[in-house]
Amino acid sequence: NAGVTQTPKFQVLKTGQSMTLQCAQDMNHNSMYWYRQDPGMGLRLIYYSASEGTTDKGEVPNGYNVSRLNKREFSLRLESAAPSQTSVYFCASSEAPGRQETQYFGPGTRLLVL
Amino acid sequence: AQTVTQSQPEMSVQEAETVTLSCTYDTSESDYYLFWYKQPPSRQMILVIRQEAYKQQNATENRFSVNFQKAAKSFSLKISDSQLGDAAMYFCAYRSFGDQLTFGKGTKLSVIP
Repeated sequence: NAGVTQTPKFQVLKTGQSMTLQCAQDMNHNSMYWYRQDPGMGLRLIYYSASEGTTDKGEVPNGYNVSRLNKREFSLRLESAAPSQTSVYFCASSEAPGRQETQYFGPGTRLLVL
Repeated sequence: AQTVTQSQPEMSVQEAETVTLSCTYDTSESDYYLFWYKQPPSRQMILVIRQEAYKQQNATENRFSVNFQKAAKSFSLKISDSQLGDAAMYFCAYRSFGDQLTFGKGTKLSVIP
């Protein structure tokens, strides 16, 4: 089992460019999440999908869109990248959206917007 | 919104010694879970230990244990017999029913050989 995988590992964008971060999990989990991590901060939730076919905003959704493509895959799109979106992005999944459910994280995507 | 506070941005410990990382949180809920995640230089987030608020017994996982003080809203992590591989960022996190996982800002732990 690969667990949670993310592509790409690293990306450099120019301001205004668009890109999609891909995430896939092979644990048959129902819930998936996108976080960003900035220096000196913990992880902040961007969007999540409690189950296939649903998505909801998290703490910092502005400038992002998501698609839950199927049960395995959850993508994050930046339509017009801004320098403030320079960050490390983590995808996570959990069996269900309950409070006790452990979230399993991918290795992260480092994004630099110039 | 819930808040999680880790008051120690950095800490260090001698190899084989014991270290305690602090975490406090703010909530009006009575039922929730608390987590400690480890983030080594590889950036992978790894669950270290979790605690259910209703359980009075402190959780333990090998060399890792917690001191959960519900009334004080405190959830500290104790690492015994520290090893070089324990060097990492440690994040405390909170989650209640119907809410999302909220992280503290992290504590960077260095292990001195």
